[in-house]
Amino acid sequence: GQQVMQIPQYQHVQEGEDFTTYCNSSTTLSNIQWYKQRPGGHPVFLIQLVKSGEVKKQKRLTFQFGEAKKNSSLHITATQTTDVGTYFCFTGANSKLTFGKGITLSVRP
Amino acid sequence: NAGVTQTPKFQVLKTGQSMTLQCAQDMNHNSMYWYRQDPGMGLRLIYYSASEGTTDKGEVPNGYNVSRLNKREFSLRLESAAPSQTSVYFCASSVGRSTYEQYFGPGTRLTVT
Repeated sequence: GQQVMQIPQYQHVQEGEDFTTYCNSSTTLSNIQWYKQRPGGHPVFLIQLVKSGEVKKQKRLTFQFGEAKKNSSLHITATQTTDVGTYFCFTGANSKLTFGKGITLSVRP
Repeated sequence: NAGVTQTPKFQVLKTGQSMTLQCAQDMNHNSMYWYRQDPGMGLRLIYYSASEGTTDKGEVPNGYNVSRLNKREFSLRLESAAPSQTSVYFCASSVGRSTYEQYFGPGTRLTVT
């Protein structure tokens, strides 16, 4: 079965609103990576989280690894049109290399 | 550095035809991967090569074969294409397996009629 779940698959926000999405697993994960894919493009690595409760920031993006290492969140503050794309989580847990199905974010200007 | 390159960028095949998708990386990475991306399905791993000389099946290997020709090159072969193999195919590479960031190529858009 799928290692990591991302629900919903689509989200629409107004420019300037905050956005949060989650990546969930039923098993403990050794690591979580996040990727972004712009429309028509290829996935690009954003960040990796390894430690329980770890928080990392990249400008308006905040990534967190859950205390139990079974979930991760991506929060975007004050979304911009440049944030449009699909965000995927990925894990190499338990020797299985698995991407979540992704969440596609659209931003209304 | 070109990073990860893939050829061709687009391809149309008829059912039953064969073809090989080529992938090369110039980053001296040990691990290479082939994924397919279908709408609503995310990225699914077809095959990967943790290091030169080794290959392993991923989630959806049926209908595909791979060759790790050398450290730089990792090819994906469709022996007898089927419409279900219509997809966008991405090659990726990383320093090592699973805990290292993956660098993706631009993708090959394949249509099988």
